[in-house]
Formats: sequence, C-alpha cells, structure tokens
Amino acid sequence: GEDVEQSLFLSVREGDSSVINCTYTDSSSTYLYWYKQEPGAGLQLLTYIFSNMDMKQDQRLTVLLNKKDKHLSLRIADTQTGDSAIYFCAGGEAGGYNKLIFGAGTRLAVHP
Amino acid sequence: DTEVTQTPKHLVMGMTNKKSLKCEQHMGHRAMYWYKQKAKKPPELMFVYSYEKLSINESVPSRFSPECPNSSLLNLHLHALQPEDSALYLCASSQARQGVNTEAFFGQGTRLTVV
Repeated sequence: GEDVEQSLFLSVREGDSSVINCTYTDSSSTYLYWYKQEPGAGLQLLTYIFSNMDMKQDQRLTVLLNKKDKHLSLRIADTQTGDSAIYFCAGGEAGGYNKLIFGAGTRLAVHP
Repeated sequence: DTEVTQTPKHLVMGMTNKKSLKCEQHMGHRAMYWYKQKAKKPPELMFVYSYEKLSINESVPSRFSPECPNSSLLNLHLHALQPEDSALYLCASSQARQGVNTEAFFGQGTRLTVV
C-alpha cells in the first residue's frame, strides 16, 4: 500500500519562503494533495496536483512534483504567522471515492 | 459552499454510554468518510460510503457503527467505547465519480473523550 513520508518540523522567519517536502511510495496515486490543520481544527484543503503535472501555482503556493523520485513539495512564499500549522501531504486515487493516505505531517512554525 | 458540518464539536462519554456523531454536507457529494485522528498523528481512514453504501471498513471494531441515511448525512454510532478511542473524529466528503478529482473536504471534527 501507499506510504507517505514527511519531515516533522520546519521553522522559518516571517516573510521568508517555506518549503515542505514529502515522498511517497505508490506511483498509482492519481492526485496528490496538501492539507493544512490548525490547532484543534479540521483539515483544510490547500491545493492539489494531478500526477501528470510537474508544477502548479496557486497564489502564494507552489506545488512541485518529481514523479521519477516520487517527491512532492509545497512552497509557501512570503510566509506569515497565520501560516503556522501542521501540513499534511496525501495521496489518493480517482477510483469513485478517495482513500487518502496521509503523511505524518510537518509542523510549520513562523517566527518574527 | 464547500462546508462539511459536524456535531457535536466536543463530546465526553462514559464507557457504558451510547452516543452518535453527525456529519452533513450539501455539496452533492456521493462519497462520505469517517477518519480518526489521535494526537500528533495523521488522520486514519475508518469507513467510506459511496452512494449511501458502505464501501470500505478498515477493520474498525464493532463498537463503532456507521450509518448513511441519505446522500447528505453520515452518522457514527458509538457504544461501549474504551479510553483509547479518545480522538478527533473527522468527517469528509467528495465526489464519487471515476476518473475525476475526488478532492475530499473535511469538517472541523468532533473531539471525543471517553472516561
């Protein structure tokens, strides 16, 4: 089955860029997702990328996908204190429903 | 409207109690999910309903009983839980069509404490 790995912690200065990395084992995932979870809250879908794409940009967010290395990254430009949260990458299949497999999550801490 | 609504937000129950968690969405999604999230861990899938039929049960103990009474509602009935079942229970929904992006939208969760 799918296994998704992420680095656990990232600390950045406000205004800098953040890069959160993720590796996955199952290349059959049709879509790959990034979710954000603030303390005590549910998961917020940030963005996704189709497995046939290499890059997707959505305002301050840039997703890069290296299919050969099975590596996914999320870059947040101009990181703000409100970006402090846990970020999960997840793989899923477009098979009529979406059985998401999540990475362990990366805690992003933004300091002044 | 991309909202999935879960009630209650918090629940404390004894090990002999029976309670239910509720989830509602009005996005026309025909796939609905229950996930369990322990502290400092990622969400883990429990159940998937597709077109109101149970499609996946990830070997969840029978003290958790899901129900999908219609295409907008999903319930999770709880009975004789153990303290280790204390967790954040997340509901999600997505489209249920082959070959399309079935991005899942999550509710805010029910934080369950079993005493």
